[in-house]
Amino acid sequence: AQSVTQLDSHVSVSEGTPVLLRCNYSSSYSPSLFWYVQHPNKGLQLLLKYTSAATLVKGINGFEAEFKKSETSFHLTKPSAHMSDAAEYFCVVSDNPMRFGAGTRLTVKP
Amino acid sequence: GAVVSQHPSRVICKSGTSVKIECRSLDFQATTMFWYRQFPKKSLMLMATSNEGSKATYEQGVEKDKFLINHASLTLSTLTVTSAHPEDSSFYICSAPEPWGETQYFGPGTRLLVL
Repeated sequence: AQSVTQLDSHVSVSEGTPVLLRCNYSSSYSPSLFWYVQHPNKGLQLLLKYTSAATLVKGINGFEAEFKKSETSFHLTKPSAHMSDAAEYFCVVSDNPMRFGAGTRLTVKP
Repeated sequence: GAVVSQHPSRVICKSGTSVKIECRSLDFQATTMFWYRQFPKKSLMLMATSNEGSKATYEQGVEKDKFLINHASLTLSTLTVTSAHPEDSSFYICSAPEPWGETQYFGPGTRLLVL
């Protein structure tokens, strides 16, 4: 079975600084990987997905993630954090159904 | 993108009563839908897979008699929490996969509080 591990339960950055949310996956074959964001009291929103095309995936709101098979990683990055980025982020592997990571809470300080 | 709705968005009920939550795919058909449970500040835990025209598939540890799932049509799945107790209080989320790919579309969730 496939799984994902989010390495940080909480990440805190200052507004305008880069964001790095780490995710490692475990799979016996090339997986489909996703990042979802959940704002307080709101539904899950798809940020981006990797489905064995380009290894660098660009998503919404300036986020991107790079699939690295050699490192079994799919880290989420953004060059400059905005206050509105504060939310819970989930790395997800598609194993039909989807399997969620534990989540990383991103805090953005003014 | 595809839209999935849930109703109600929140419900408060007395212990011992049953609560039904609806999940609808609004602009696409879904032969399969998924039900998740999310505890405060925790990740989503898959409860069961809802299959149109057949029985739901439950994850290990999820009581099928407690959480009844019915996939009545290609656009509707319902989750009924029977004889609810305070420990059933949680955030319940459904999802449906897009017919043309692997992306899941999630409903906005239903917050259940059992008093």
